[in-house]
Amino acid sequence: NAGVTQTPKFQVLKTGQSMTLQCAQDMNHEYMSWYRQDPGMGLRLIHYSVGAGITDQGEVPNGYNVSRSTTEDFPLRLLSAAPSQTSVYFCASSLQEDGANVLTFGAGSRLTVL
Amino acid sequence: GQNIDQPTEMTATEGAIVQINCTYQTSGFNGLFWYQQHAGEAPTFLSYNVLDGLEEKGRFSSFLSRSKGYSYLLLKELQMKDSASYLCAALDSNYQLIWGAGTKLIIKP
Repeated sequence: NAGVTQTPKFQVLKTGQSMTLQCAQDMNHEYMSWYRQDPGMGLRLIHYSVGAGITDQGEVPNGYNVSRSTTEDFPLRLLSAAPSQTSVYFCASSLQEDGANVLTFGAGSRLTVL
Repeated sequence: GQNIDQPTEMTATEGAIVQINCTYQTSGFNGLFWYQQHAGEAPTFLSYNVLDGLEEKGRFSSFLSRSKGYSYLLLKELQMKDSASYLCAALDSNYQLIWGAGTKLIIKP
């Protein structure tokens, strides 16, 4: 049981490049989400999904796209990277969206945009 | 607006007790979480409170006062491995998590 698997762990991009952060979970969780974590700030929700085929925007969605074609996978795409997107990104999942559902986080992806 | 406040950094001594406070202002309230995050790692779940009072879980306890918008995490018999950031997060009326910036706890021998 791997939990939540994120790749890559580290990535350096140049401004304007595109890339996809991969996230997969094997716990049959309905809810999946992407957060970014910046120094001195709380985790900020980028996008989330309550099930396959359903996605919605979080607090800071601009510059990011997501899709949820299967229950297991929830990739995050940066279409044209900007230095402001330098951050640590966490994918997290839980059994359901509502209620006191504990989030399980992936190990994180540290992205630097030059 | 919605807001979570917690101290930026705290220092404590190995073997001692430390209390990390968290105050919250949210649109509605459906509970409060505490997560632990070691440097360079993912947050991991510690506790969840939705009713007033103290919940004890081994060396860690969490307290909630809904009327005061206040919670604390109490760590007893501190160990070096407890050096980490502690994240407070409140669940609002839409079941969205509002996160604090985290409290970095430094344990000294």
